[in-house]
Amino acid sequence: AQTVTQSQPEMSVQEAETVTLSCTYDTSESDYYLFWYKQPPSRQMILVIRQEAYKQQNATENRFSVNFQKAAKSFSLKISDSQLGDAAMYFCAYRKIQGAQKLVFGQGTRLTINP
Amino acid sequence: DVKVTQSSRYLVKRTGEKVFLECVQDMDHENMFWYRQDPGLGLRLIYFSYDVKMKEKGDIPEGYSVSREKKERFSLILESASTNQTSMYLCATFQGASGTGELFFGEGSRLTVL
Repeated sequence: AQTVTQSQPEMSVQEAETVTLSCTYDTSESDYYLFWYKQPPSRQMILVIRQEAYKQQNATENRFSVNFQKAAKSFSLKISDSQLGDAAMYFCAYRKIQGAQKLVFGQGTRLTINP
Repeated sequence: DVKVTQSSRYLVKRTGEKVFLECVQDMDHENMFWYRQDPGLGLRLIYFSYDVKMKEKGDIPEGYSVSREKKERFSLILESASTNQTSMYLCATFQGASGTGELFFGEGSRLTVL
């Protein structure tokens, strides 16, 4: 079974600095999707960034980028120029491309932005 | 934009009560999911449905059942609520095998069982 592990329950960063959230996963599949989701306080979860495993290039979305290391099964999220609005729970997630459509989530990392 | 609406943001129920959590989506998505969110455990899948009247167990189905009579509505049922079912429940949808795999979430239903 696939598993996703986020080893940092909490992280904090100064506003305007850069922070990296870690995620590792375990799978025997060769092709799959990886995601980072953001859950702001009392608001709904939204997608931050997505990576297809067959793409070697790391995905980027404005200030958000990933470091995808397929062989190491590592998928970290880097947030540059952190803003107060980035404060949230961040979840790493995995999904197979074939078969069952469900996403498997990590435990989450609570990110605090210090002004 | 996809809209996923959960009927109740906050509920307080007593042990043994039957509880219904409703989820409605407006984008004709085939797949719908119920997750449970607990601190330190992340999101765990309870049940999912890939079509009307179709359902599959997730990782933690015990104590729960679901109903999907119409494509846009997916209900989670706690037949006899227990205190260990106190949690945040999240409904989510996505389009299907041809989609990108992105889940669209509702705002969540925080259930407290006394």
